[in-house]
Amino acid sequence: DGGITQSPKYLFRKEGQNVTLSCEQNLNHDAMYWYRQDPGQGLRLIYYSQIVNDFQKGDIAEGYSVSREKKESFPLTVTSAQKNPTAFYLCASSVGQGRGYTFGSGTRLTVV
Amino acid sequence: EDKVVQSPLSLVVHEGDTVTLNCSYEVTNFRSLLWYKQEKKAPTFLFMLTSSGIEKKSGRLSSILDKKELFSILNITATQTGDSAIYLCAPALSSNTGKLIFGQGTTLQVKP
Repeated sequence: DGGITQSPKYLFRKEGQNVTLSCEQNLNHDAMYWYRQDPGQGLRLIYYSQIVNDFQKGDIAEGYSVSREKKESFPLTVTSAQKNPTAFYLCASSVGQGRGYTFGSGTRLTVV
Repeated sequence: EDKVVQSPLSLVVHEGDTVTLNCSYEVTNFRSLLWYKQEKKAPTFLFMLTSSGIEKKSGRLSSILDKKELFSILNITATQTGDSAIYLCAPALSSNTGKLIFGQGTTLQVKP
């Protein structure tokens, strides 16, 4: 079955450490997205990519980095420069043209 | 700047009540508007609306779009405790990015 997989589901990080969240899809979608969600709030766009080897900053890109070396994969690195990284992170993919997203099941990151 | 406002932000009702959730938007290059339900993890798709005045229905849920007033509503009749969730409204852009612009969500709690 086609889908989008995020790992790990839960992640704990010490302050000052970089961590990488994985997102893999087998839907053959060109576009992929990373969102952050804080408790009781909507989704805010971090980065998105329309095609391999290309990506753009979203609304809250500071302290994050991404890569898109393969169509299937869009990992997100939360760097030590992100001052408030504790949140729920959602990855999504799309065929584009406003047809909606397929979401992964999310990664909950906690800084300890 | 693209903007999506959902109201109310939170709502508590009892089983059997009917609720109306509101979504107003101001976005450039509007293509469609999507509604998602989010329980604990990934948002799940409810409706995609592209034309004004045409109601979409799925069981006890229905939704309609007004492209002139830039507004959409989501109705839930005879609410059940399983309807408790965050409901997200998201206009989709018609550009190649396929981006969705999410509102802050409405948190619905249905009490027995």
